[in-house]
Amino acid sequence: GAVVSQHPSWVICKSGTSVKIECRSLDFQATTMFWYRQFPKQSLMLMATSNEGSKATYEQGVEKDKFLINHASLTLSTLTVTSAHPEDSSFYICSAILLEQYFGPGTRLTVT
Amino acid sequence: GDSVTQMEGPVTLSEEAFLTINCTYTATGYPSLFWYVQYPGEGLQLLLKATKADDKGSNKGFEATYRKETTSFHLEKGSVQVSDSAVYFCALSPNQGAQKLVFGQGTRLTINP
Repeated sequence: GAVVSQHPSWVICKSGTSVKIECRSLDFQATTMFWYRQFPKQSLMLMATSNEGSKATYEQGVEKDKFLINHASLTLSTLTVTSAHPEDSSFYICSAILLEQYFGPGTRLTVT
Repeated sequence: GDSVTQMEGPVTLSEEAFLTINCTYTATGYPSLFWYVQYPGEGLQLLLKATKADDKGSNKGFEATYRKETTSFHLEKGSVQVSDSAVYFCALSPNQGAQKLVFGQGTRLTINP
């Protein structure tokens, strides 16, 4: 089946620094990837739609200058959390489309 | 806007018990409905789906029927196994595709031997 990976699986960074999370479709090409955020005991919240070769589309209330998304190739999308703060600590999940959505295992971000 | 509400967990059952996880939705138009499962340390996987009213999705012994009149898509399994322990998410897509999924909050299921 289609496999999506994320790297890193967890990361701890200091407040004010930036951190990049990678999402890769390992055995298929995806023109569209999604980025979600999940708070403890809450549902996944769609943050943005990442389209290869064009700008990402952000959901209402998501700061595009804070969460930079780059879909540089058909197998890679990156999410960069800029000037991270403790309230950005969360579980970030990506997915890629191949007829249906295939999800990565998620990245746990902790900002100290 | 569109939303999904599912049964709060955690749910703990004994092996071979009957399982129901309730899911109701609010949507305009005719959404597609999904159940996803997340095993420990893994990404969400599509468990089953239904794209129109009265459709029944089924997979691995799990079933869910798209009920438009009650706006529900309850997940059921007649006899659960320890390997079914996971977090289950109900979701909808406002259109017939799998894009722009709206998720419920997830229900953690633990099956004891």
